[in-house]
Amino acid sequence: QKEVEQNSGPLSVPEGAIASLNCTYSDRGSQSFFWYRQYSGKSPELIMFIYSNGDKEDGRFTAQLNKASQYVSLLIRDSQPSDSATYLCAVNANDYKLSFGAGTTVTVRA
Amino acid sequence: DVKVTQSSRYLVKRTGEKVFLECVQDMDHENMFWYRQDPGLGLRLIYFSYDVKMKEKGDIPEGYSVSREKKERFSLILESASTNQTSMYLCASTNHQGYEQYFGPGTRLTVT
Repeated sequence: QKEVEQNSGPLSVPEGAIASLNCTYSDRGSQSFFWYRQYSGKSPELIMFIYSNGDKEDGRFTAQLNKASQYVSLLIRDSQPSDSATYLCAVNANDYKLSFGAGTTVTVRA
Repeated sequence: DVKVTQSSRYLVKRTGEKVFLECVQDMDHENMFWYRQDPGLGLRLIYFSYDVKMKEKGDIPEGYSVSREKKERFSLILESASTNQTSMYLCASTNHQGYEQYFGPGTRLTVT
C-alpha cells in the first residue's frame, strides 16, 4: 500500500467551477500536510499547508484535513485556466522527510 | 524569497560516466533533499542531509551518493550512470523549524 494516494486524474473542470482534489495517507502519526502545484516542465511550488483538523483557506484555495479518516483535500474555487497543473499531496511522516503522492492532473476548460 | 538553484537544467551523459548534480540554497536552511521524479511514480527521496557532512538515505539511494561540505550546497553523485537513472532530479531545502520544502528548478538528466 502506498503511503500517500491520490487520484491521478485527469480532472477536467470548466472555468469558474470548483475543483476538488483528494488525498489519503496511511501513517496515522502524520502531523503536517502540504499541497504543491507543479506546472508541466517546472518544479513543485508550495501552495498550502495544514496541520490541524478542519479547513484552512487561502484565497481561492481551501485545504481540508480529517486526521481520523486520514484524509486531506484541496478545493480550488472559481477555477481558472492558469490552475491547470498537477497537484501533489505531501505528508510529513517523520523527521523532515515528506512522502509525496503521485499527483492529480487538473485541466480547466475555458 | 527562498531561492534554490541547481547547476544544470538539462544534462546528457553516457552510460558509465560519473555525474555531479549540484544544488545551492541561499536561506541558511539546515535540511536539504534530493528527489527524482518519474511519470506515474511521483517524487521519490534519494538522500537528505540535516547538517553539514551529515546525510541519510532516502527510499532509493542505490547507485547514488551525496556530499555536503558547506551548509548551502548539497551535491548528488551518480558514480556510474546507467540508463535507468534517466529522470528529473529535484533538490529541495527547509529550515529546522518547518517542514515546507522549497524546490529548485530541476535537472533533467538523460543517460544514453
